[in-house]
Amino acid sequence: DTAVSQTPKYLVTQMGNDKSIKCEQNLGHDTMYWYKQDSKKFLKIMFSYNNKELIINETVPNRFSPKSPDKAHLNLHINSLELGDSAVYFCASSQGVGNSPLHFGNGTRLTVT
Amino acid sequence: AQSVAQPEDQVNVAEGNPLTVKCTYSVSGNPYLFWYVQYPNRGLQFLLKYITGDNLVKGSYGFEAEFNKSQTSFHLKKPSALVSDSALYFCAVRGFSGGYQKVTFGTGTKLQVIP
Repeated sequence: DTAVSQTPKYLVTQMGNDKSIKCEQNLGHDTMYWYKQDSKKFLKIMFSYNNKELIINETVPNRFSPKSPDKAHLNLHINSLELGDSAVYFCASSQGVGNSPLHFGNGTRLTVT
Repeated sequence: AQSVAQPEDQVNVAEGNPLTVKCTYSVSGNPYLFWYVQYPNRGLQFLLKYITGDNLVKGSYGFEAEFNKSQTSFHLKKPSALVSDSALYFCAVRGFSGGYQKVTFGTGTKLQVIP
C-alpha cells in the first residue's frame, strides 16, 4: 500500500521536449507538494496545493505547470525541457497545517540530454 | 523569512557511539520542527517532530531530538549508532511565510556510521 506514489521513476529525455510526472496519495491528505532535489541534495519547494488550490508557487519558471484534478492527485508538466531541469523531483503530501509531517514519494529522476 | 541551518555536511561516528546531528532554525511564532531521513534512491521518511512543551522528543528507530528554545536548536541524537543509520538527514521547519504555511528544509547532513 504505497502512500504517495509517483510515476515514472526515471525519465530520460532530450532538450526541448515536454514531459509529465504524475503523483497520487491515498492518505486522505488535503495538501500536496512538489519539491526539486538537485545534485547537491538540496531540497527546494516548487509548488503546494491545498484542496486543489495553488497556495505556493516559488519562483519556478512558467515552463513548469502543476495540475491538481482532485485532492489525491498532483501532476507536474514541464515544457521545453532544459539541461538545468535535470534533478530528482519529489511529490509529498500532508494535512495542511501545524505539525503534520510530510509524506514523500520515492522521486522521479529526470535527466535531460 | 524562515530558515534552517545544518552546519555539518557530514558526520562520522563509530558504531555503538552516540551521535548528534545539529540543526538551528529561524521562524516567526511557534516552531513546527521535524527531522527526516533519506536513504539512497528513496524519498524522505519522517523520523520525529517537535511537540510543544517537550524538550526531548522520541521518534522512530531509536532517534530522539533535543529542543532548545534559547539557542533555537533542534539537534538529532541517538545513544548508540548502527551502521544501518548511515543516510542523509534533513531538519525542517514549518512556519508562516507570505501568508501561508511553508516547510523549509536544511541542506542535509550525511551520517556515516563506521563499523
